[in-house]
Amino acid sequence: RKEVEQDPGPFNVPEGATVAFNCTYSNSASQSFFWYRQDCRKEPKLLMSVYSSGNEDGRFTAQLNRASQYISLLIRDSKLSDSATYLCVVNAFSGGYNKLIFGAGTRLAVHP
Amino acid sequence: NAGVTQTPKFRILKIGQSMTLQCTQDMNHNYMYWYRQDPGMGLKLIYYSVGAGITDKGEVPNGYNVSRSTTEDFPLRLELAAPSQTSVYFCASSLAAFSYEQYFGPGTRLTVT
Repeated sequence: RKEVEQDPGPFNVPEGATVAFNCTYSNSASQSFFWYRQDCRKEPKLLMSVYSSGNEDGRFTAQLNRASQYISLLIRDSKLSDSATYLCVVNAFSGGYNKLIFGAGTRLAVHP
Repeated sequence: NAGVTQTPKFRILKIGQSMTLQCTQDMNHNYMYWYRQDPGMGLKLIYYSVGAGITDKGEVPNGYNVSRSTTEDFPLRLELAAPSQTSVYFCASSLAAFSYEQYFGPGTRLTVT
């Protein structure tokens, strides 16, 4: 089982749609969770951290379910500029150090 | 404030050649990292550093070496390039430990033929 699993997509949605991405992680001891955004042929950038109580940043809502080891990202009122790959990122202590584990990403394509 | 810069942006190497990927950050971050990203895969940690003079192996260190003589610079050396090292390489830095936000450079696209 992969340490962080995501549906690769692509998710093709029209402008204005609501879209949800899911992510599961295998290490129950993980404490920190993030969503990063990566535009085509660019570097990853932090979109938002994910807190136990859930958190919202404008049109973006992140949820964490520790019992199910599951993270979600909801994007409301999708814009063309939201087209990107969304990386689920989880920390884990493995191999003698604390590290971030990156999922392979879910690709979103928003069309007019 | 340039953030994290990487050079070169692109490079083609022949099998067996060597090269150094440069990485510099101007945010005074202690932690720096080198990742590689293969198509359809998550980023894999090659090496990391917790401060000047201190480096350690990540998940996929074979075929690579690093040094950290200053806070700002964290070069990655490829010795005897192999086709399996064809990838996009990202350098990143963070203020503190792995759980904090990491800032990435624009990446180096390396092809080994």
